[in-house]
Amino acid sequence: SQKIEQNSEALNIQEGKTATLTCNYTNYSPAYLQWYRQDPGRGPVFLLLIRENEKEKRKERLKVTFDTTLKQSLFHITASQPADSATYLCALDNSSASKIIFGSGTRLSIRP
Amino acid sequence: GAVVSQHPSWVICKSGTSVKIECRSLDFQATTMFWYRQFPKQSLMLMATSNEGSKATYEQGVEKDKFLINHASLTLSTLTVTSAHPEDSSFYICSARDPGQAVGYTFGSGTRLTVV
Repeated sequence: SQKIEQNSEALNIQEGKTATLTCNYTNYSPAYLQWYRQDPGRGPVFLLLIRENEKEKRKERLKVTFDTTLKQSLFHITASQPADSATYLCALDNSSASKIIFGSGTRLSIRP
Repeated sequence: GAVVSQHPSWVICKSGTSVKIECRSLDFQATTMFWYRQFPKQSLMLMATSNEGSKATYEQGVEKDKFLINHASLTLSTLTVTSAHPEDSSFYICSARDPGQAVGYTFGSGTRLTVV
């Protein structure tokens, strides 16, 4: 069956450290993978998209990698800040459909 | 950037009544919009794809007669929860993609539905 799994339900790290979140998928062949941030009671906000032929994508303190052999994406936040505390969701397209399917999310907490 | 407006942000209704949620793309046209449902501490579950001028496409297990979707214009999609029951209480979120933007989907701020 198709699955999108994010390694941790919750991750708690010290301010200033690098947060690393993992997204694994099975039985999908996505053309791209996306990462979103969701704050409590709000809709997700798009952060980054990485395509199947890209290894790495960066945006300010964010970095995403995509390994289609391992069927895995890593999402890094460097120099983490308490304001980065939120739930982070990975999402990928469902074969040729124009819709995206979400992983279960990782709730990230950055402690001062 | 692209903005999707969702209304209302929260609603409380009695069992057996119907509730309509609106989703508008404010500065772009969306031939397709998506409706998700999210239970506490769970991820977003795609309910249906709303197609302008044609019938919505529902995901497996979602009752189309219970969750009526109307996409009457290129900027408006509505989700009506009919004969609501307490188990329908959830966070409903819509999204759309601005074809003028290179990447990413834009989400509404969500609607918290509580059925009492």
